[in-house]
Amino acid sequence: GQSLEQPSEVTAVEGAIVQINCTYQTSGFYGLSWYQQHDGGAPTFLSYNALDGLEETGRFSSFLSRSDSYGYLLLQELQMKDSASYFCASNSGNTPLVFGKGTRLSVIA
Amino acid sequence: EADIYQTPRYLVIGTGKKITLECSQTMGHDKMYWYQQDPGMELHLIHYSYGVNSTEKGDLSSESTVSRIRTEHFPLTLESARPSHTSQYLCASSSRQGKNTEAFFGQGTRLTVV
Repeated sequence: GQSLEQPSEVTAVEGAIVQINCTYQTSGFYGLSWYQQHDGGAPTFLSYNALDGLEETGRFSSFLSRSDSYGYLLLQELQMKDSASYFCASNSGNTPLVFGKGTRLSVIA
Repeated sequence: EADIYQTPRYLVIGTGKKITLECSQTMGHDKMYWYQQDPGMELHLIHYSYGVNSTEKGDLSSESTVSRIRTEHFPLTLESARPSHTSQYLCASSSRQGKNTEAFFGQGTRLTVV
């Protein structure tokens, strides 16, 4: 089976940096993805890590440690528009994409 | 921009009615999924498919059925709608090639059963 754990809520100040953690238990693990979902919208893909280390895409970075079954999403220079829910997701072999319960990020002024 | 479409976007229907939620993608993706999500809550996988004539049930017990007769089309059917089916239904697809798991989502169908 697969399970992913992430904090339910995070609050951060505009302009700051925030890290959203995700731990997983997945047999035959391939990689960890991150998705963003604004209220009323559909999830959109942010990043994917198959190998250990940091992947950077603009203000967003994602990190994976396969040995620790752990990853995180790092958001820098936070903006109000970053207020959304963030989901980590994993897949393995022919198993379907499974999502964590999501972390609701609130960016405050 | 993702080429995956869901219809209808919104639907209000009476208890006991049969409904089909449509999902189509033009990306040639083998993998397609249906998720159920209440506002602000987690995504529950209810059905998935890895290709034509392949369908599997997900983790969430559901009274719905799906079919995959064509690669691009993955409709979800509720034989008898109940108020407990009120939710948002999200369709997604991803490529089976390689190990990248980027999934593209449709805009969802918000279903209300009265």
